[in-house]
Amino acid sequence: DQQVKQNSPSLSVQEGRISILNCDYTNSMFDYFLWYKKYPAEGPTFLISISSIKDKNEDGRFTVFLNKSAKHLSLHIVPSQPGDSAVYFCAASTSNTGKLIFGQGTTLQVKP
Amino acid sequence: AAGVIQSPRHLIKEKRETATLKCYPIPRHDTVYWYQQGPGQDPQFLISFYEKMQSDKGSIPDRFSAQQFSDYHSELNMSSLELGDSALYFCASSSITRTGGGETQYFGPGTRLLVL
Repeated sequence: DQQVKQNSPSLSVQEGRISILNCDYTNSMFDYFLWYKKYPAEGPTFLISISSIKDKNEDGRFTVFLNKSAKHLSLHIVPSQPGDSAVYFCAASTSNTGKLIFGQGTTLQVKP
Repeated sequence: AAGVIQSPRHLIKEKRETATLKCYPIPRHDTVYWYQQGPGQDPQFLISFYEKMQSDKGSIPDRFSAQQFSDYHSELNMSSLELGDSALYFCASSSITRTGGGETQYFGPGTRLLVL
């Protein structure tokens, strides 16, 4: 039972354009959501997070949007750069346990 | 800034052998999580510790055990290794906030275990 889903295995965008990565979840108890970037053979690197009491959080080129009614969140990267090419994982947790439930990941390729 | 340290980075074992993976959290972080990532899969939660006590347990085999020591480092002990245990093992650390909201977990580089 995949509680966090990233339905797009891959995404390709042109340098300078916007990258939009999507994530859906089923567990309404999730109250904290995070995006991680991962290169092969390395650990996930934290990018940005959002609490369920907010609907938007922005940090530089990265913005995360949360739509609780739709149980959907998205990560926007503007402008996209070739160095952004990596696997992006969406993760969710509940405040009573803290453990992260990950999506399957989306491989982003930013073409020069 | 100091990051999460994991050792060893690579480990090759035979079936039925034992392995010990170590994790050194970010200084002043009181919580450690262990995750397993199989080939082509997303990371799966194994076990976590808060202030040296087990706080949660996921899909961790009975052959595995873990603990957190007084200096907050953690060790994952794996016995009777099976071929299917070959995976990347990540440790993450965090500092639980007391004001509500979430805790951000910071991951180490992982230990790649290969069981032959």
